[in-house]
Amino acid sequence: AQKITQTQPGMFVQEKEAVTLDCTYDTSDPSYGLFWYKQPSSGEMIFLIYQGSYDQQNATEGRYSLNFQKARKSANLVISASQLGDSAMYFCLVLTIRSGAGSYQLTFGKGTKLSVIP
Amino acid sequence: DAGVTQSPTHLIKTRGQQVTLRCSPISGHKSVSWYQQVLGQGPQFIFQYYEKEERGRGNFPDRFSARQFPNYSSELNVNALLLGDSALYLCASSLGGTGLGTEAFFGQGTRLTVV
Repeated sequence: AQKITQTQPGMFVQEKEAVTLDCTYDTSDPSYGLFWYKQPSSGEMIFLIYQGSYDQQNATEGRYSLNFQKARKSANLVISASQLGDSAMYFCLVLTIRSGAGSYQLTFGKGTKLSVIP
Repeated sequence: DAGVTQSPTHLIKTRGQQVTLRCSPISGHKSVSWYQQVLGQGPQFIFQYYEKEERGRGNFPDRFSARQFPNYSSELNVNALLLGDSALYLCASSLGGTGLGTEAFFGQGTRLTVV
């Protein structure tokens, strides 16, 4: 079974400051993918960043970077220079693919609500 | 170019009834995934369809079923509704693969309330 833990139900950050959202995961599969998604109050999920378990370097996408510590099973999201529009729910998820069967398992964390203060 | 469209946006049903939710993917996308998001929780994966075949299934009872049509649109059906089925149901479309990542786009969801 897979498990994702996001220990921060809510976070506050000052505009233009950096913030780190925590995510730890538990999977027995050696090959997996880690994703972060943002969900504004409008409801749609917006893809932010992806990290493969065999990727040697931490993923970066603009103001988003993923602090991947494989041995600790940690995949924290770092947002630099926070903007008011960053206020939203943030979800971490893990994906494992079962080779041959063509099936996969996907688990979301419970999310962190980020509020950016002017 | 239209994004992922879901209908209806809101729905109220009575326990025991059946409901059908609809999703139209982005033009050119062949994969549709469905997720259930109970208030205050993260989404849970229900199904993925690619080229009209089921490619992934989450841990949901048989009351939940889905299908994909030749035009790649999809329907999610839930029978014998329970109060616990009240949730936001999200649909995502993508070119293929697992339905996630840079090429996957979500709709704004259908809010189902079971009373």
